[in-house]
Amino acid sequence: QKEVEQNSGPLSVPEGAIASLNCTYSDRGSQSFFWYRQYSGKSPELIMSIYSNGDKEDGRFTAQLNKASQYVSLLIRDSQPSDSATYLCAVNRGGSQGNLIFGKGTKLSVKP
Amino acid sequence: GAGVSQSPSNKVTEKGKDVELRCDPISGHTALYWYRQSLGQGLEFLIYFQGNSAPDKSGLPSDRFSAERTGGSVSTLTIQRTQQEDSAVYLCASSLQALYYGYTFGSGTRLTVV
Repeated sequence: QKEVEQNSGPLSVPEGAIASLNCTYSDRGSQSFFWYRQYSGKSPELIMSIYSNGDKEDGRFTAQLNKASQYVSLLIRDSQPSDSATYLCAVNRGGSQGNLIFGKGTKLSVKP
Repeated sequence: GAGVSQSPSNKVTEKGKDVELRCDPISGHTALYWYRQSLGQGLEFLIYFQGNSAPDKSGLPSDRFSAERTGGSVSTLTIQRTQQEDSAVYLCASSLQALYYGYTFGSGTRLTVV
């Protein structure tokens, strides 16, 4: 089992819809969870972090964490074409405070 | 500086040559990371520096790859005897405390070995 798994996509949603991006992880000792957005040809940019079970909202973005199920998700409400990018899930390696493990990313395409 | 600075932004080199890639982290960030990303692929961890501790070199793909961090700040990634499979974008990131803040990435160095 891969340490951090994401559906590679592409995930295509119409403009204005909710985009739902999912991530599962294998290390039960992981404590910190991050979502990065990477536009084509650019470097990853941190958009959300979550540490506790439940939901965390920031503008149009909501991160959801379920440690029992080892599952993290990112919801993007009112999706815009400018949200079209690859979204990377990152999880800290249990027992390590400094090293994050990245999933391969889900490519999101928002159609006007 | 305001962000993580990497140089050069692009590098084309001949197979067999050595290259040096530079990373200048955000001031005050004690942790520094090198990753590489091949076209259409995920991030591959290379090496991690934390303060004055011994670096975590577990991701270096071969002994042709090495990195150092001088004075707890600037880092140089060196690739000796470059091969075509080394062609990728090399990303540097830094963090004050990754567990809480995640990483901030630089804009990367695109390395092409011809």
